[in-house]
Amino acid sequence: EAQVTQNPRYLITVTGKKLTVTCSQNMNHEYMSWYRQDPGLGLRQIYYSMNVEVTDKGDVPEGYKVSRKEKRNFPLILESPSPNQTSLYFCASSPPLGTQYFGPGTRLTVL
Amino acid sequence: AQSVTQPDIHITVSEGASLELRCNYSYGATPYLFWYVQSPGQGLQLLLKYFSGDTLVQGIKGFEAEFKRSQSSFNLRKPSVHWSDAAEYFCAVGSGGGADGLTFGKGTHLIIQP
Repeated sequence: EAQVTQNPRYLITVTGKKLTVTCSQNMNHEYMSWYRQDPGLGLRQIYYSMNVEVTDKGDVPEGYKVSRKEKRNFPLILESPSPNQTSLYFCASSPPLGTQYFGPGTRLTVL
Repeated sequence: AQSVTQPDIHITVSEGASLELRCNYSYGATPYLFWYVQSPGQGLQLLLKYFSGDTLVQGIKGFEAEFKRSQSSFNLRKPSVHWSDAAEYFCAVGSGGGADGLTFGKGTHLIIQP
């Protein structure tokens, strides 16, 4: 089944403790993106990647890092999480000129 | 910079009534337009998209949307809503099919009255 998977689905952590949210797709898509969703703000893009080793900032990249060492994986790294990064995070993938497919989401709470 | 405006934060509709959700966009080139639906606690599901061609596009679950370039709009419609349509609806715009990322509106929360 074609899908985008994210892990973990739920995470509660404390300020300053480094964490990684994994994202994997099995559709051989070149493009992958990370978004955060906050009430009343919709979804905002954090980072995107056009292929292996090619990444670029989205609209809200501060406090986040990404890497794309393999085509299928696009982890989101929070080196020093803060409470304002409490949010619902979505990973997405797509082919060039194609529709984005979204993962199920990761709900992160930073205390 | 591209932007999407969904003027209605909440809309309440009676079951069986018709529905129209508004979306206005700002984009410098030919836009790629999308409507996604998010049910409570769920991820995003694509309802329909417009890339080019016929300005009236059909989607899943009986939804349709019409692209009006002169009004910079891409409104979503359904002739008769069902209780299961209660959800959050997002309009989005992108370039290159949206592959390098989408700009989303803030969403419209649809409530269905029995």
